[in-house]
Amino acid sequence: EAGVVQSPRYKIIEKKQPVAFWCNPISGHNTLYWYLQNLGQGPELLIRYENEEAVDDSQLPKDRFSAERLKGVDSTLKIQPAELGDSAVYLCASSLDGGYNEQFFGPGTRLTVL
Amino acid sequence: AQSVSQHNHHVILSEAASLELGCNYSYGGTVNLFWYVQYPGQHLQLLLKYFSGDPLVKGIKGFEAEFIKSKFSFNLRKPSVQWSDTAEYFCAVNVNNNDMRFGAGTRLTVKP
Repeated sequence: EAGVVQSPRYKIIEKKQPVAFWCNPISGHNTLYWYLQNLGQGPELLIRYENEEAVDDSQLPKDRFSAERLKGVDSTLKIQPAELGDSAVYLCASSLDGGYNEQFFGPGTRLTVL
Repeated sequence: AQSVSQHNHHVILSEAASLELGCNYSYGGTVNLFWYVQYPGQHLQLLLKYFSGDPLVKGIKGFEAEFIKSKFSFNLRKPSVQWSDTAEYFCAVNVNNNDMRFGAGTRLTVKP
């Protein structure tokens, strides 16, 4: 069974440029998460989807970040415009039905903003 | 503030040494507890979890963790580490069926 797929794995951009990350969760997993992981820190939740509905986006900086999961399967996270402080690893995870279910993580996208 | 604390930032051990990584949380209510591991160059994966029942849970690769409710702790243990256990270990708490909160992680280096 394929795991959570993310692309790209690495991205280097200049500040003020837009960037997008893509995630394809494990087949059949209804819940999808986007996390931000800074160096030396644990993952921090940005947004959680139940199917195509964003049920928790309280930690998403909505002035520059946006996300979508149009058909309740794969998802895109966008930053526009990127700032130097956005340099981090962006992780996608999925679980069967959210709640206490185990979350399966993708390899992440390492973003460097110059 | 509510948090998950991992007190050891970096632990260095020799092979065959015993391991204990601390994890404390400050959330009230019903909690479910997890330890995730990230091997070098790999993605986060579940090591073990506690939902209910026996507070001593066993995970993969000989790891175990004990939930002590009175101490708000969920420490990870392994009696004898191997070089292949070199990784970063994250404690995580799911509170009241809401989202997961992670600790900052503990980097474990096992010297051969």
